[in-house]
Amino acid sequence: EIVMTQSPATLSVSPGERATLSCRASQSVSSNLAWYQQKPGQAPRLLIYGASTRATGIPARFSGSGSGTEFTLTISSLQSEDFAVYYCQQYNNWWTFGQGTKVEIK
Amino acid sequence: QVQLVESGGGVVQPGRSLRLSCAASGFTFSSYGMHWVRQAPGKGLEWVAVISYDGSNKYYADSVKGRFTISRDNSKNTLYLQMNSLRAEDTAVYYCAKERVVKAVGGYFDLWGRGTLVTVSS
Repeated sequence: EIVMTQSPATLSVSPGERATLSCRASQSVSSNLAWYQQKPGQAPRLLIYGASTRATGIPARFSGSGSGTEFTLTISSLQSEDFAVYYCQQYNNWWTFGQGTKVEIK
Repeated sequence: QVQLVESGGGVVQPGRSLRLSCAASGFTFSSYGMHWVRQAPGKGLEWVAVISYDGSNKYYADSVKGRFTISRDNSKNTLYLQMNSLRAEDTAVYYCAKERVVKAVGGYFDLWGRGTLVTVSS
């Protein structure tokens, strides 16, 4: 099983600031990496797939990068609606998720 | 309206069974692979099972293999998860999710339901 490790567990950021979230895979997943956003009581929402392609309707302030085992999700200027938990997922070999990074208001 | 709506959750005793449903609308359900994903209280997401668009292929996580069965009825636009021999560690919110690519399994999920809570407790 491919283990996905996200860091940090919690990220405290002020509105308008930049947030950088990391995701590491225990073995290469090529670019088969997605990012999801989840708010309390809501379904996860697809943000990024193919490591760097934004899903339909996702604002340009969200960007993804990386390949192989190291990936990054960047939110360039945090808006109030962006405070949530973010999960990475590999779909190169079955499907596994990271444990999530909670982005909270500083 | 494109959506997935889960139902069937509840409180069940260890060792008993429960069947979850996921009603799809707003897209051609019969063209897409479908998944179940769960989230234990305060924990992350865990993939549970997948079924191909036509029901011919099914795969399971080791944690549920032999106890859970995924199925679908394309005439009713509905996905199911039959859960037998339930354990306390199966307590979670169960989400259904749709594959992004038509008639393929192995990609990411572009639509999720809001989930249904299953609590296994005596």
